[in-house]
Amino acid sequence: QVQLVQSGAEVKKPGSSVRVSCKASGGPFSSYVISWLRQAPGQGLEWMGRIIPMSGTTDYAQRFQGRVTLTTDESTSTGYMDLSSLRSEDTAVYYCAREGVGSTYEYWGQGTLVTVSS
Amino acid sequence: DIQMTQSPSSLSASVGDRVTITCRASQSISSFLNWYQQKPGKAPKLLIYAASSLQSGVPSRFRGSGSGTDFTLTISSLQPEDFATYYCQQSYSIPFTFGPGTKVDIK
Repeated sequence: QVQLVQSGAEVKKPGSSVRVSCKASGGPFSSYVISWLRQAPGQGLEWMGRIIPMSGTTDYAQRFQGRVTLTTDESTSTGYMDLSSLRSEDTAVYYCAREGVGSTYEYWGQGTLVTVSS
Repeated sequence: DIQMTQSPSSLSASVGDRVTITCRASQSISSFLNWYQQKPGKAPKLLIYAASSLQSGVPSRFRGSGSGTDFTLTISSLQPEDFATYYCQQSYSIPFTFGPGTKVDIK
């Protein structure tokens, strides 16, 4: 059974950075793309980017380019999302998800609430 | 980026009703369209992929159709557990964008 378990909630100051982790189990970590998405309070879903663990190849949404960095640690089957220069508009639940056939998302982490507040 | 729109943004329905949600893409995405259901405080759940293929374990009352720019999600007979928000997502090109969602609540 595939599981993605994310790190806990964070409270950050504007201008700081945050790291969210996503530990995978129940499947071959390197074989699947890990994507990161977010959902602001009461809002819809926003795709941020993805990483192929085997190669480290990344794709980022243009609006996050330069502020988001996705990495993985194959030894621990963990993916990481670093977001810098935080502002209040970055307050959201951040999800990791495993990309399946046709770039669908069958498996999701439980979500991590990141609150940016002074 | 491909823009996705959905209609209606919300609807009220009763158990047993037939419900239809529409999703439109700003350009042709062939059949690269997926549907998700999300309940409060939970991660989205994949319902339909490739416009019309039912994800394993999803009840057959959910049906997807369409291609190109116009797509539809139909719930043939609404059940109590179906009250949720539904999102379409295009997986044709990066960034993979989502519609704004359709909230289905109890009439």
